Amino acid sequence: DQQVKQNSPSLSVQEGRISILNCDYTNSMFDYFLWYKKYPAEGPTFLISISSIKDKNEDGRFTVFLNKSAKHLSLHIVPSQPGDSAVYFCAASDAGAGSYQLTFGKGTKLSVIP
Amino acid sequence: ETGVTQTPRHLVMGMTNKKSLKCEQHLGHNAMYWYKQSAKKPLELMFVYSLEERVENNSVPSRFSPECPNSSHLFLHLHTLQPEDSALYLCASSQAPPGPRETQYFGPGTRLLVL
Repeated sequence: DQQVKQNSPSLSVQEGRISILNCDYTNSMFDYFLWYKKYPAEGPTFLISISSIKDKNEDGRFTVFLNKSAKHLSLHIVPSQPGDSAVYFCAASDAGAGSYQLTFGKGTKLSVIP
Repeated sequence: ETGVTQTPRHLVMGMTNKKSLKCEQHLGHNAMYWYKQSAKKPLELMFVYSLEERVENNSVPSRFSPECPNSSHLFLHLHTLQPEDSALYLCASSQAPPGPRETQYFGPGTRLLVL
């Protein structure tokens, strides 16, 4: 059973608008969350992370929100740009237990329309 | 070369073949990882090496054999694979100790097809 779920396989957003990518998890032991971005024919690149002691982390146009009670996190991109078109992966870990494991979602393909 | 490189980028092999995937990192890292991404499935961790010592083997079948001769190189030796092993194999590196708080840098992957 998947512990990290990205229920939207794809999302289309107009340039300049906000993109919201969602991720749900089931394992309450997860305490560290990351977002990766992947362009075709390239490996994933780290985008932003958040620890469970926080509910928001911001880095430029990218903000990650964490709702621990709902076991839900989201990535907001504002304003969206055509170069943001990529597949976005959510990942989670039980970092406090010293785990090496990152549990990934299946990804959401974002298309930003000029 | 910069970052993390992987060769070959594409590989087709029969079930009785032996082949190896190579990964090289130019980032001065000392932890390296192998991941597998099958079609319509999430990325799955296979192996982790820290300071050239294997620290994680995620229940991977023995037909996959990793080797880390030094902190810059990582190999995945393949032997008598099955068609269901066809997937994208990604290598990553990070600072040690390995773990989610250390940013992992990924290579572009090797697309493997087993016939």
